[in-house]
Amino acid sequence: GAGVSQTPSNKVTEKGKYVELRCDPISGHTALYWYRQSLGQGPEFLIYFQGTGAADDSGLPNDRFFAVRPEGSVSTLKIQRTERGDSAVYLCASSPGPHTGELFFGEGSRLTVL
Amino acid sequence: AQSVTQLGSHVSVSEGALVLLRCNYSSSVPPYLFWYVQYPNQGLQLLLKYTSAATLVKGINGFEAEFKKSETSFHLTKPSAHMSDAAEYFCAFLTGTASKLTFGTGTRLQVTL
Repeated sequence: GAGVSQTPSNKVTEKGKYVELRCDPISGHTALYWYRQSLGQGPEFLIYFQGTGAADDSGLPNDRFFAVRPEGSVSTLKIQRTERGDSAVYLCASSPGPHTGELFFGEGSRLTVL
Repeated sequence: AQSVTQLGSHVSVSEGALVLLRCNYSSSVPPYLFWYVQYPNQGLQLLLKYTSAATLVKGINGFEAEFKKSETSFHLTKPSAHMSDAAEYFCAFLTGTASKLTFGTGTRLQVTL
C-alpha cells in the first residue's frame, strides 16, 4: 500500500543495547513526525522533520535519543543505551506539509526493553 | 499552558445508542482541534478537524463534533453506535504557531450488544 510503513513492528532488546527504528513516509510528504505512546497514554511528541532538517526536537527525552532523515524521505529513530523505561510503541506519521495537523500514521514499532 | 483534557478514559454504550466522548481545551488563543481514532492493531486515523471555518464539523463514519468557545469544549458525538466503532479516540490540538499535534490521554469506547 501507499501508507506510512514502520519497521520492525516489534523489537525486543536488552537493557543497554542500541536500537534503530525505521519509518518510510507517504511519498511526497515533506513533514515527518515521531511520537511515543506508552500504555494507557496518548501519543507523546518526540521530533518533527520538515524535509531533511529537524524543525522541532523538543520532545526528545534525553541525548540517548536521536533521529535522522538524510534524504528527506525515510527516517530512522536511534536509541542508545536503552533503558526499561524506553519500552513503548513508537509511532511515525507524515503529512503533505507543516501546520495542518492532518497526520497519516503508521502502525508503530513496539519496543520492549528487558 | 495549552492542553486538552478528555473526560472518561473508558466509555461503554449499547449498539444503537448515542456516543458522546468529551474533550475540553485550555488555550489563550483559539486552537485547531482534532479527533483521531485508533482501531485495534491499526495506526491512528483522522476523524475530523476544526479550523474555525464552522463550529459543527462532520467527519468520517457518521461522527461529528461541535466547537463551543463558551464551554471550551469539542465533544465528539455519533447518533447511533455500531460495533465497529469500538476503538480508542484521541482529542488533539494544534496552535497556529506550532507544527506538532498535542494529544489527550484518550478514551476507549466499548460498544455492547
